[in-house]
Amino acid sequence: NAGVTQTPKFQVLKTGQSMTLQCAQDMNHEYMSWYRQDPGMGLRLIHYSVGAGITDQGEVPNGYNVSRSTTEDFPLRLLSAAPSQTSVYFCASSLGGEAGELFFGEGSRLTVL
Amino acid sequence: TQLLEQSPQFLSIQEGENLTVYCNSSSVFSSLQWYRQEPGEGPVLLVTVVTGGEVKKLKRLTFQFGDARKDSSLHITAAQPGDTGLYLCAGTGNMLTFGGGTRLMVKP
Repeated sequence: NAGVTQTPKFQVLKTGQSMTLQCAQDMNHEYMSWYRQDPGMGLRLIHYSVGAGITDQGEVPNGYNVSRSTTEDFPLRLLSAAPSQTSVYFCASSLGGEAGELFFGEGSRLTVL
Repeated sequence: TQLLEQSPQFLSIQEGENLTVYCNSSSVFSSLQWYRQEPGEGPVLLVTVVTGGEVKKLKRLTFQFGDARKDSSLHITAAQPGDTGLYLCAGTGNMLTFGGGTRLMVKP
């Protein structure tokens, strides 16, 4: 019962460093998405994908890149980390697109110094 | 951007009390979801409401979608410590939009 798996769970970066947050799902869901969660602001959509080879921007895409080479994997890349990207990041997948039930990973807590 | 405002932001009550959490917007949503999130975990879907005026019940939780599909409420009867968590509403429009959440603490 893996569901949505995110790695790493915790990461500390220095300003300007790059890193990739990994997300994998084993439910054969076409729709996958990345959110960031900041106190009092709920979840904000960064990027999403409706299937392999297709990605699109969400509400707060600046500073982040994504790719979707397989149905299972949807990595999120930070090319040059900034302190404003300190947050908890959640990956989610859905069978029914964004209107369907979203299954979330456990989150990745990122701190940028 | 469609905005969803949740109120209250924080709620601390005693076990056995009733409570209502509100989710309001000036925008119309085609459907609205409620999620609950516990510390260190991702949100988990509680319910989806689709039709204006719809009421759904999940044991002690009652969810209502406003007639105009711009607002929703979650009512918990006889709250228990296991209800403690962050409650998030999310509306489907141009894209899925989440409210800021209501953090509920139920004390034994």
